[in-house]
Amino acid sequence: AQTVTQSQPEMSVQEAETVTLSCTYDTSESNYYLFWYKQPPSRQMILVIRQEAYKQQNATENRFSVNFQKAAKSFSLKISDSQLGDTAMYFCAFMNTGNQFYFGTGTSLTVIP
Amino acid sequence: GAVVSQHPSRVICKSGTSVKIECRSLDFQATTMFWYRQFPKQSLMLMATSNEGSKATYEQGVEKDKFLINHASLTLSTLTVTSAHPEDSSFYICSAEGLYEQYFGPGTRLTVT
Repeated sequence: AQTVTQSQPEMSVQEAETVTLSCTYDTSESNYYLFWYKQPPSRQMILVIRQEAYKQQNATENRFSVNFQKAAKSFSLKISDSQLGDTAMYFCAFMNTGNQFYFGTGTSLTVIP
Repeated sequence: GAVVSQHPSRVICKSGTSVKIECRSLDFQATTMFWYRQFPKQSLMLMATSNEGSKATYEQGVEKDKFLINHASLTLSTLTVTSAHPEDSSFYICSAEGLYEQYFGPGTRLTVT
């Protein structure tokens, strides 16, 4: 079974600063995908970034980047130049070869003006 | 990106009645859809995997006779909560399988009185 752990229930960051959200996972599979999703108050899940496990290069998407450490089973999200609109719940997710998603418990991020 | 809709967005029903939630992929065909449940301030928990033309696969602990899933076409999956009780009140989210990711619907807030 896959488990995803987010050890930071809540975090805050000053506007324009950088913040890193942590995520670890456990799996016996070698091929999988990792994701960070954002859930704003509207509750709509929004894909932030995706990482293929077979790729060593860390994924980046504008202000969002990940630090993927496969051996350590770690997948952290770095948000640079934080904006007020980044305030949301952030979920780390693991997708197995059956395309099933398993989510972490989430980190509530607040960007402070 | 791909669009997934859910209907209704909110529903209130009386205890003992059944309620149906629809999940549609609007601009693509989805062989596989997923149903999640999210309690307040908690993560998304996978309830079942819905496959077009076949029986759904339920996660451990999810009552298949209570949460009926039908995936009769490549663009529509339905979740029927039968004999609903107050403890079934929750936020239900569906997703449709895409290429290396899932596309999430906006969710349905179910309140059982």
